Amino acid sequence: QQPVQSPQAVILREGEDAVINCSSSKALYSVHWYRQKHGEAPVFLMILLKGGEQKGHDKISASFNEKKQQSSLYLTASQLSYSGTYFCGTGRSQGNLIFGKGTKLSVKP
Amino acid sequence: DAGVIQSPRHEVTEMGQEVTLRCKPISGHDYLFWYRQTMMRGLELLIYFNNNVPIDDSGMPEDRFSAKMPNASFSTLKIQPSEPRDSAVYFCASRRGQGTNTEAFFGQGTRLTVV
Repeated sequence: QQPVQSPQAVILREGEDAVINCSSSKALYSVHWYRQKHGEAPVFLMILLKGGEQKGHDKISASFNEKKQQSSLYLTASQLSYSGTYFCGTGRSQGNLIFGKGTKLSVKP
Repeated sequence: DAGVIQSPRHEVTEMGQEVTLRCKPISGHDYLFWYRQTMMRGLELLIYFNNNVPIDDSGMPEDRFSAKMPNASFSTLKIQPSEPRDSAVYFCASRRGQGTNTEAFFGQGTRLTVV
């Protein structure tokens, strides 16, 4: 089943922060985050494998709450280059990877 | 490695025609996924393969859609007959490894327009 992302869209000014949430009605084995620029393919950001795990690079980080079957992506001090659509993907033991509908992030100067 | 390669990049066809989309995964990757992307539904998983074997095709919308993976380096997604509502961007992705703990690499996609 498709994970649910919120919000569907967000508009930021450069330097502002944003949080994107991802939740599932089924147990999660892992959470993937990808970013897609307009007209391009989705590009991998990070995977979280364990409950309580947090990861990050640059000013983008994520957490995974296994019990609540949720993950959140945090973008701090946003830059113009952060604009795009962010997808969370949920994995199950069978190896599949199902994505939410995406959150469109627009960063304005 | 050149990454996941899809062809054609763009396809315009008339309703009722057969369409074949092609994908070459990254060498050594044992999982291959086909996704369809539309504004309304986002990235939908259509079917995925493990070691060339279809594992789950429950996302294939209708019998008009079929997918094959005859060997580790090639997969096709066929639509016959095509309909205007099949217009979308179709992505192929591949990854290596057991379970879900490795990243997926996407091809550049095929933009299909059925008129």
